[in-house]
Amino acid sequence: EPEVTQTPSHQVTQMGQEVILRCVPISNHLYFYWYRQILGQKVEFLVSFYNNEISEKSEIFDDQFSVERPDGSNFTLKIRSTKLEDSAMYFCASGLAGVAGELFFGEGSRLTVL
Amino acid sequence: AQSVTQLDSQVPVFEEAPVELRCNYSSSVSVYLFWYVQYPNQGLQLLLKYLSGSTLVESINGFEAEFNKSQTSFHLRKPSVHISDTAEYFCAVSRFGNEKLTFGTGTRLTIIP
Repeated sequence: EPEVTQTPSHQVTQMGQEVILRCVPISNHLYFYWYRQILGQKVEFLVSFYNNEISEKSEIFDDQFSVERPDGSNFTLKIRSTKLEDSAMYFCASGLAGVAGELFFGEGSRLTVL
Repeated sequence: AQSVTQLDSQVPVFEEAPVELRCNYSSSVSVYLFWYVQYPNQGLQLLLKYLSGSTLVESINGFEAEFNKSQTSFHLRKPSVHISDTAEYFCAVSRFGNEKLTFGTGTRLTIIP
């Protein structure tokens, strides 16, 4: 069964460092998303991406964040200068066009900022 | 903007007992409603969804949820739980196809043998 894969599964970084989280969505999906979940809190939307551009972003997704689909298969989330409060589980998801709400999630990348 | 409330952060239930996980939503427009499940150390998986039509929707593993527009609720139920149902359950809404999902805070379901 096709699945969304994310790397790394866990990354530890120092405050102020750049981090890139990688995702390989399901191949025929057209909509891509990043969500995050701070420990003990709700799953929060960060950004959605369609047709090679951001379609929506939340207020969390400030100038420190960026997304890219560099080669037609990978979908990356970059955090330019990490803060302590960026520590969270980051989930990538993808979905087919026109299929409401049926997102396929990866297993997540746990980011720990020290 | 829409929001989702899951009042129960943790629900312990004896094996083979029934369970109900509560979800209420708030929105000024019509929404689609979803339940996602997160098993330990895994990503979220769609459990069931309500888009339109029959207000009672079912999953393949015995869960069901009923959309109640007047009470703005979408509670999840199962008549008899198993150990394998141990997971975190998230209620979510969206306004239209492919729009972002807005999640509740989740309910951790613990099955007691």
